[in-house]
Amino acid sequence: DVVMTQTPVSMSVSLGGQVSISCRSSQSLVHNNGNTYLSWYIQKPSQSPQLLIYKVSNRFSGISDRFSGSGSGTDFTLKISRVEPDDLGVYYCGQGTQYRTFGGGTKLELK
Amino acid sequence: EVQLVESGGSLVQPGGSLKLSCVASGYTFSNYWMDWVRQTPGKSLEWIGEINTDGSKTNYAPSIKDRFTISRDNAKSTLYLQMSNVKSDDTAIYYCTRPHYYDGYSFAYWGQGTLVTVSS
Repeated sequence: DVVMTQTPVSMSVSLGGQVSISCRSSQSLVHNNGNTYLSWYIQKPSQSPQLLIYKVSNRFSGISDRFSGSGSGTDFTLKISRVEPDDLGVYYCGQGTQYRTFGGGTKLELK
Repeated sequence: EVQLVESGGSLVQPGGSLKLSCVASGYTFSNYWMDWVRQTPGKSLEWIGEINTDGSKTNYAPSIKDRFTISRDNAKSTLYLQMSNVKSDDTAIYYCTRPHYYDGYSFAYWGQGTLVTVSS
């Protein structure tokens, strides 16, 4: 299995601040077809997860440009700028290059 | 608007069976592969498996070990998950998901989930 490791497990931020969440995979996520299938999700309290970013850096429809994804190979980052109250929740990275696996989650809370 | 509505979750005894359903609307169901993902209490997400557009091909996570079967009925726009020989570790919220058009390995749309509790 491809193991996805997210850090930190939790973090607190002030409204208007910026945060970065790291996601590392146990093996390269570059698919045989050349694409890298790394995605990011947010799960707000009592809700289903929602897609934010797909294929490393592509924002899903309706997602603010305050969210940006980057990285390659085994090392990926989600950055959130100008944090708003609606951004709070648990963030997950997920890979689709070999089966599908998810990271353990990063809980974003208010400072 | 894409909508996915799961049903069928309930309390089931260890070793028992259960069939979950997911009705899709707002898009052409038969054009997309579909997946099931579960979330155990207080824990992360686990992919269960996927099914292709006409239901002829399925792939499962190695950890599922032939106990679960995914199927679909395109005429009813419905996805199914047949669970058998369930164990306490199968207690979770089960989500049906649809991938993104440009990334078939992501989960762009999620249902509200249905809770399965395995207990005697």
